Amino acid sequence: KQEVTQIPAALSVPEGENLVLNCSFTDSAIYNLQWFRQDPGKGLTSLLLIQSSQREQTSGRLNASLDKSSGRSTLYIAASQPGDSATYLCAVLYSGAGSYQLTFGKGTKLSVIP
Amino acid sequence: SQTIHQWPATLVQPVGSPLSLECTVEGTSNPNLYWYRQAAGRGLQLLFYSVGIGQISSEVPQNLSASRPQDRQFILSSKKLLLSDSGFYLCAWTPGQGWEKLFFGSGTQLSVL
Repeated sequence: KQEVTQIPAALSVPEGENLVLNCSFTDSAIYNLQWFRQDPGKGLTSLLLIQSSQREQTSGRLNASLDKSSGRSTLYIAASQPGDSATYLCAVLYSGAGSYQLTFGKGTKLSVIP
Repeated sequence: SQTIHQWPATLVQPVGSPLSLECTVEGTSNPNLYWYRQAAGRGLQLLFYSVGIGQISSEVPQNLSASRPQDRQFILSSKKLLLSDSGFYLCAWTPGQGWEKLFFGSGTQLSVL
């Protein structure tokens, strides 16, 4: 059974700092990994999707990396801003029980202090 | 462009009352549709998914049911709500031909009192 872990559960940083969020998964046989952002009381917004054959994806100040063999992904946020405050979730897509399965981590709550 | 609509945004219901949450997707055809529940400290839990009209798969036994009466409409229901049904419910979709990005609705905060 695939398990996805995100550490830390919460993170507080001053504005302008670069930061890294971590995601680990137990089964390396994945198809892709997605990072999402969730604002309080809102749905999830997809930030980046990394296919299993890729090593990283970039979008603006965000960079996500994937090391399938070690079961790890990181989300790097450069020059953090107060507007980046949100909960960030990762999810892995894998094959299980004869169908595609998507498992989410519990998220890291990020607070960027002005 | 594709959009997903989910309503209501918030709902307060007494124990034992029925439930109906609706989700519709626009701008695409034959999407895969999903209902997730997000409870505090427990992460996202997949409740139901559907790959076509009338095709519903349930991931966990529960007090809820789902239906897909039209290609782009997904409904989550209950005949009698329990306190444990409280949570944040999210509808989502992916293109029917493959697994790409998962797109979520804005969610429904359900409080059962």
